[in-house]
Amino acid sequence: RKEVEQDPGPFNVPEGATVAFNCTYSNSASQSFFWYRQDCRKEPKLLMSVYSSGNEDGRFTAQLNRASQYISLLIRDSKLSDSATYLCVVNGGSQGNLIFGKGTKLSVKP
Amino acid sequence: DARVTQTPRHKVTEMGQEVTMRCQPILGHNTVFWYRQTMMQGLELLAYFRNRAPLDDSGMPKDRFSAEMPDATLATLKIQPSEPRDSAVYFCASARQGPPITGELFFGEGSRLTVL
Repeated sequence: RKEVEQDPGPFNVPEGATVAFNCTYSNSASQSFFWYRQDCRKEPKLLMSVYSSGNEDGRFTAQLNRASQYISLLIRDSKLSDSATYLCVVNGGSQGNLIFGKGTKLSVKP
Repeated sequence: DARVTQTPRHKVTEMGQEVTMRCQPILGHNTVFWYRQTMMQGLELLAYFRNRAPLDDSGMPKDRFSAEMPDATLATLKIQPSEPRDSAVYFCASARQGPPITGELFFGEGSRLTVL
């Protein structure tokens, strides 16, 4: 089992749609979880951290299920500018470094 | 506006040549990472440093890759000799503290390497 797994997509959705991404991780000792966003030919940037109780930032909601080792990201009322690749990130390598999923590509169409 | 700076942004070279990529982490960040990104493998950790000391370079092909931090403001990644399969985008990133990494990683814009 890979350390961090994501559905690669692409997810093609119309503007205004709600879209959800899922991610599973293998290391039960992981303590920190994040979603990063990467635009085409750009570097990854932090979108939001994921907290145990779930957290929301505007149209974005992140949730964590430790028992199932599962993280999700929900985007409501999607915008054209949300088109990007979303990377699930978990800490827990041998030295506590961050492990990146391969990303889920989102394309929001007019 | 503090940022991680990488050079070169683009590099095209021939197989067998030496390639050196450089990174200036954000001032005050004590942890520096080198990642490689390809379509097939995604982001792979090659090496990382804490307070300039190498902590983990298990992701790096030792026979041809080497990573160093000669001082706190400079990290280098060297490939010698380069091969076509090394073609990828190489990202440097820094963090304020760690390990374990519990906060944000700040990435440079990447060095896009093409080995012919």
